[in-house]
Amino acid sequence: GENVEQHPSTLSVQEGDSAVIKCTYSDSASNYFPWYKQELGKRPQLIIDIRSNVGEKKDQRIAVTLNKTAKHFSLHITETQPEDSAVYFCAARRVNNDMRFGAGTRLTVKP
Amino acid sequence: DGGITQSPKYLFRKEGQNVTLSCEQNLNHDAMYWYRQDPGQGLRLIYYSQIVNDFQKGDIAEGYSVSREKKESFPLTVTSAQKNPTAFYLCASSPTPGNSPLHFGNGTRLTVT
Repeated sequence: GENVEQHPSTLSVQEGDSAVIKCTYSDSASNYFPWYKQELGKRPQLIIDIRSNVGEKKDQRIAVTLNKTAKHFSLHITETQPEDSAVYFCAARRVNNDMRFGAGTRLTVKP
Repeated sequence: DGGITQSPKYLFRKEGQNVTLSCEQNLNHDAMYWYRQDPGQGLRLIYYSQIVNDFQKGDIAEGYSVSREKKESFPLTVTSAQKNPTAFYLCASSPTPGNSPLHFGNGTRLTVT
């Protein structure tokens, strides 16, 4: 099955700095890569996604890049704010619809 | 108001008892999923279903069972064979084909003592 690895497991940045989280996947047939944000005790919420026919996507302060050849994708958050503090998960979805998640990155933005 | 409903929010059971977690969606999604989340860890796939009367095992299916008799419903039974059932369980659904996001329910926190 698909294996998704995510790094780093924890990330601490100063408010206003950028944060980058990286993921790799194992199944070259995976075609959809979402990123979720989860606050304590709550459900994961989609923040951005990218499909396999696109190399980069941006939404305000958040961007995702995908390198299909290397099978890795990254989340970039610019101008971080304290409310960005949460756990972030990457995921990869295969054509048979199963979705596997990375282990998560706990982001802390210090004011 | 469309969404995914998981019930109950908190569930307590004695060791050795089977327990069923409910998941209902009114989004008309074909695919449904169950994930388990342990403290400080990621989401691990238990089972998923692409269509009514069909489901596939995920990475940690042992000790769990599911059914998909209706499109709207995908209940998860945690059996006594599951060695460490205490966890946060998340149900999700999505449209098919596979390039769409999952929509999550609010989760059920199961505690087995």
